[in-house]
Amino acid sequence: QVQLQESGPGLVKPSQTLSLTCTVSGGSIRSGSYYWNWIRQPAGKGLEWIGRFYSGGSTNYNPSLKSRVSISVDKSKNQFSLNLSSVTAADTAMYYCARASNYGNTKALDYWGQGTLVTVSS
Amino acid sequence: DIQMTQSPTSLSASVGDRVTITCRASQSVSSYLNWYQQKPGKVPKLLIYTASSLQSGVPSRFSGSGSGTDFTLTISDLQLEDFATYYCQQSYSTPWAFGQGTKVEIK
Repeated sequence: QVQLQESGPGLVKPSQTLSLTCTVSGGSIRSGSYYWNWIRQPAGKGLEWIGRFYSGGSTNYNPSLKSRVSISVDKSKNQFSLNLSSVTAADTAMYYCARASNYGNTKALDYWGQGTLVTVSS
Repeated sequence: DIQMTQSPTSLSASVGDRVTITCRASQSVSSYLNWYQQKPGKVPKLLIYTASSLQSGVPSRFSGSGSGTDFTLTISDLQLEDFATYYCQQSYSTPWAFGQGTKVEIK
């Protein structure tokens, strides 16, 4: 059973960089045709896809955040990380990591971490 | 970028009702459309993938249909545990996008 767990600071100051790590257990991020994603959700609002890393090596980002976001991978630790720079209060949200698997001809988000709340405030 | 629009944004229903939620894409996503259920304080759960295929373990009262730009999620015989917020999501092209959600509340 794959499990994902987010970790990182719960409070980030405005203009600083938000850094979160997702640790994957029960499966290797190196194996299979999986996409490893970051998604966020402001309190009381909907879900926003931030970006993804493909186990084959490519990354894709949401253009709305593209200039500020990067996703990196540490295969030795079975982790992937999110960096979001120049944060503002608008970046306050619950941040989830999630795995997308092949389902028929498409991909769907089938395993999610529990989420970590990040507040941007001085 | 593809935009996803759900309607209604909320609805009130009773146990045993049949509920239909609509999701519209700003351009065709073929059948690359997934549905998720999120209960308060919980993580989203995959219900349906490729528009109409039921994820393993999801009750058969949930069903999905549609292709192209128009999709529906139907819950027949609504149960207490179905009161939640439902999101559609397109996986046709990046950036992946979610609908704004439909909250199903108890009448």
